[in-house]
Amino acid sequence: GAGVSQSPSNKVTEKGKDVELRCDPISGHTALYWYRQSLGQGLEFLIYFQGNSAPDKSGLPSDRFSAERTGGSVSTLTIQRTQQEDSAVYLCASSLWGQGGEKLFFGSGTQLSVL
Amino acid sequence: RKEVEQDPGPFNVPEGATVAFNCTYSNSASQSFFWYRQDCRKEPKLLMSVYSSGNEDGRFTAQLNRASQYISLLIRDSKLSDSATYLCVFLDSNYQLIWGAGTKLIIKP
Repeated sequence: GAGVSQSPSNKVTEKGKDVELRCDPISGHTALYWYRQSLGQGLEFLIYFQGNSAPDKSGLPSDRFSAERTGGSVSTLTIQRTQQEDSAVYLCASSLWGQGGEKLFFGSGTQLSVL
Repeated sequence: RKEVEQDPGPFNVPEGATVAFNCTYSNSASQSFFWYRQDCRKEPKLLMSVYSSGNEDGRFTAQLNRASQYISLLIRDSKLSDSATYLCVFLDSNYQLIWGAGTKLIIKP
């Protein structure tokens, strides 16, 4: 009964470096979401994967951000040439079908700090 | 106008009291509504969905007012463990989830 797993839990990096954040969704969940949350703010949608469909990338803030989902399971969010404004908690969530009206299960997030 | 607005609080409430807060949304085509709870430095967790007819789960009551475009959450007999940030979420016409920034609730002994 494992939940959504994210790694690393904390990442400190220098401005200009690339980072990779990993998400292991709940087994059998076809939908996977990436969100970003800055302190005291709501969740900012980044990208959404649903089954074999083309991902919805409409929330990615710049072309420095990319994500992939291999084999319909594990997902990696990559941020290239990190900037200080990228500092936030990056949350991954999965749901069974991705129909929007169902419960999202969140991982505990990756706290990214760009110095 | 923001797509979704919540009073950030904090609401400081004595234990045992009743507290309520609202969340307004701008998209009249919104289809589904939810309240999530987020503890400090933790991930959000679904508290309850909000149905058109209103729904209750123990001490928690959620209501939807489509005419005025807001949802509400009422907590009765508040407990210390209710202290958290409450996020409202709605599903827009593009089937995207839109999140509020949350209302912080602090229950004091």
